[in-house]
Amino acid sequence: EIVLTQSPGTLSLSPGEGATLSCRASQSVSSNSLAWYQQKPGQAPRLLIYGASSRATGIPDRFSGSGSGTDFTLTISRLEPEDFAVYSCHQYGSSPLWTFGQGTKVEIK
Amino acid sequence: EVQLVESGGGLVQPGGSLRLSCVASGFTVSDIYINWVRQAPGKGLEWVSVIHGGGDAYYADSVQGRFILSRDNSKNTVYLQMNSLRGEDTAVYYCARSSNFYDYAMDVWGLGTTVTVSS
Repeated sequence: EIVLTQSPGTLSLSPGEGATLSCRASQSVSSNSLAWYQQKPGQAPRLLIYGASSRATGIPDRFSGSGSGTDFTLTISRLEPEDFAVYSCHQYGSSPLWTFGQGTKVEIK
Repeated sequence: EVQLVESGGGLVQPGGSLRLSCVASGFTVSDIYINWVRQAPGKGLEWVSVIHGGGDAYYADSVQGRFILSRDNSKNTVYLQMNSLRGEDTAVYYCARSSNFYDYAMDVWGLGTTVTVSS
């Protein structure tokens, strides 16, 4: 099983600032099959990024994903008020057993 | 409209059973993967199981041997039979779709159904 470790656990930032979230895998993620999700309290997760760097339909271009192998990054260029949420990475390369990271909370400073 | 709706959650005693349902609309469940993902109170997401379009099902180690996936194509519904439930199974259970359109990331999620295992 691939273990995903996200850092930091919590990121305290102000609107307008940039955010960099990390997701590190215990072994290489096949075919860069890594996704990022956003989740707000009481809501289901929302797909932001798939294939490590492709934005899902309707996702603003301030969200970008990068990385390969074992190190992946989600970058939010300028935080909008609606971006304060929990972000989780997910690997789906080691079929059929998939895993999630523990999440990074982006909170208002 | 493409959507997933879960139901069947509730309060159950340790050792008991529950069956969750995931009804799909706007697409055919036998054409894609349907996953179950759970979230314990205050915790992160945990992938639980998946049923592929061909019917093969796979499970996380934490539920292997206790949970069983099935599908009724005529009802466009996937079921998660949960047996021998434990306190650590307490969570919100989401079903989510994966397809090759998004490289098998989970692009459509239900609102979730809550399972509480307690005496």
